[in-house]
Amino acid sequence: DTGVSQNPRHKITKRGQNVTFRCDPISEHNRLYWYRQTLGQGPEFLTYFQNEAQLEKSRLLSDRFSAERPKGSFSTLEIQRTEQGDSAMYLCASSLPSTTNEKLFFGSGTQLSVL
Amino acid sequence: EDQVTQSPEALRLQEGESSSLNCSYTVSGLRGLFWYRQDPGKGPEFLFTLYSAGEEKEKERLKATLTKKESFLHITAPKPEDSATYLCAVQTPYGGSQGNLIFGKGTKLSVKP
Repeated sequence: DTGVSQNPRHKITKRGQNVTFRCDPISEHNRLYWYRQTLGQGPEFLTYFQNEAQLEKSRLLSDRFSAERPKGSFSTLEIQRTEQGDSAMYLCASSLPSTTNEKLFFGSGTQLSVL
Repeated sequence: EDQVTQSPEALRLQEGESSSLNCSYTVSGLRGLFWYRQDPGKGPEFLFTLYSAGEEKEKERLKATLTKKESFLHITAPKPEDSATYLCAVQTPYGGSQGNLIFGKGTKLSVKP
């Protein structure tokens, strides 16, 4: 399977715990995005990497959230001191740069439940 | 504030019953409008990109059109396997990176045999 891979698929945690998610993009894609999706809503942009550089962060990404992409390959998203409002599907997407049409390829997401 | 609104929220069709989904947008400028399909428990899957009013794109039973204020996704003679949530998203010139999209809430389509 050469698509975007996300692990774990599901994560249940208690409020106040830290969690980390991993995303492995399509191998030749140098752009990587994290989105968050809650039930009944569309995905919301969180952050963007080009290679290893984090170039853009949404105001939704509070200081409890941190994302990294060491060596420009896989990426991790960590949430510290989780809150019930963090419960959502966390989606990763990757793409190739394009002057006309940047098509995002999404993974199947990590479903986070904070109890 | 840039906004994307999709209607209806849910649509139930009989197999073979054609219909349209609507996506209206209010944005400061439009770089592109995207349609994605999302199956339960999966991430969105790219369908189309439209750039300018009057543009149309087709793929199998789906046809997307764009005007200055809205886009339609027409589904001709749908089959049960077309059941999914269809998401509309826009990219604006002031929205940062090309992949920073503003999504609507989606239309959940159910096609009964």
